[in-house]
Amino acid sequence: NAGVMQNPRHLVRRRGQEARLRCSPMKGHSHVYWYRQLPEEGLKFMVYLQKENIIDESGMPKERFSAEFPKEGPSILRIQQVVRGDSAAYFCASSAGDNTEAFFGQGTRLTVV
Amino acid sequence: GDSVTQMEGPVTLSEEACLTINCTYTATGYPSLFWYVQYPGEGLQLLLKATKADDKGSNKGFEATYRKETTSFHLEKGSVQVSDSAVYFCALRERGSARQLTFGSGTQLTVLP
Repeated sequence: NAGVMQNPRHLVRRRGQEARLRCSPMKGHSHVYWYRQLPEEGLKFMVYLQKENIIDESGMPKERFSAEFPKEGPSILRIQQVVRGDSAAYFCASSAGDNTEAFFGQGTRLTVV
Repeated sequence: GDSVTQMEGPVTLSEEACLTINCTYTATGYPSLFWYVQYPGEGLQLLLKATKADDKGSNKGFEATYRKETTSFHLEKGSVQVSDSAVYFCALRERGSARQLTFGSGTQLTVLP
């Protein structure tokens, strides 16, 4: 049973480009969470999704950031018109539902140059 | 809202020394508590957890006890090894919820041979 798969592991974008981060949850998991880890900081919650639904996006910046978890395929975190301050590690986690453990992927390290 | 406060690092210890990383929390409900470990360049791995007062989570020689009266969940290990060098995160999640984890800022531990 493969774990949570994130790709790419490393992503370099120039300012103004778009970044697309992918997360495939563990088999049987229908809950996906995205977190951002800025250098020297802890993880900050961004968004919580179930299949085809955004449940909680209270941690998402109001502009340029969006997330989806379609019926088929991975969850996508999309950052439009990236700026240097978007440079961070983005982690995805998945769980099977209430009161179950969340498993984390290895993260995507985004660098904006 | 919910919050987690961790002892600031970095912490440097010699091999076989005792470790304590303090963690206190604020929550509106009755949360489950977790310790995650992040090795260099990797994602987070669940180290241990406790779901109710006085529960003790333990794994790989690490322990933490859920203290409701002091709202604490301190991580302890009697004899650390070089391989324990990592960043440790305390986290909580409201019980009965599939919602997101709230993380502390992390504590960097370095164990010297």
